[in-house]
Amino acid sequence: SQTIHQWPATLVQPVGSPLSLECTVEGTSNPNLYWYRQAAGRGLQLLFYSVGIGQISSEVPQNLSASRPQDRQFILSSKKLLLSDSGFYLCAWKGGGSNQPQHFGDGTRLSIL
Amino acid sequence: AQSVTQLGSHVSVSEGALVLLRCNYSSSVPPYLFWYVQYPNQGLQLLLKYTSAATLVKGINGFEAEFKKSETSFHLTKPSAHMSDAAEYFCAVSDPGGSYIPTFGRGTSLIVHP
Repeated sequence: SQTIHQWPATLVQPVGSPLSLECTVEGTSNPNLYWYRQAAGRGLQLLFYSVGIGQISSEVPQNLSASRPQDRQFILSSKKLLLSDSGFYLCAWKGGGSNQPQHFGDGTRLSIL
Repeated sequence: AQSVTQLGSHVSVSEGALVLLRCNYSSSVPPYLFWYVQYPNQGLQLLLKYTSAATLVKGINGFEAEFKKSETSFHLTKPSAHMSDAAEYFCAVSDPGGSYIPTFGRGTSLIVHP
């Protein structure tokens, strides 16, 4: 069966520090991959999605970036974190076809001090 | 462009009462529809999905939803609420034309009182 791993579960970082969040998927090939952010009490904001290795689409211009170095690995990065980057970050994967649901990781709670 | 409206950012029910969470969509063609549940500090989990088969869809944890094309709705119901149902619920729509990106509603927080 397919599984998705996202780490770390929680992270506390100072303003201006770099960031790297990693997400890996097992048990499927060529998944569509997504990074979302949830601010406290808010809905889901799509940050990036990828339909293949090296293919990244950005939905929101900001100081974050994403990379997909391998088929089932998706990385969210920042060179310098801002206070506004605090939130709950979710990685998700989806199989081909718009009738397929998304499958989410357990999330990373990021707090910027 | 698609849109999803979830009426009520918070819904409060008593334990044992009917749960009704509303979802209306706007789409030029009947879309695929999904309900997800999110417990605190966890990711979203699929409850059920409508993909143009039966209009009444049964999901996990006793939830079900009915697709009504004439009302462009996909409301989520459960006959009897449990305390463990307290969570955030998201409705999402996907374009059958093949978009990679589902559109999510803003979510409804279900509060269950003892």
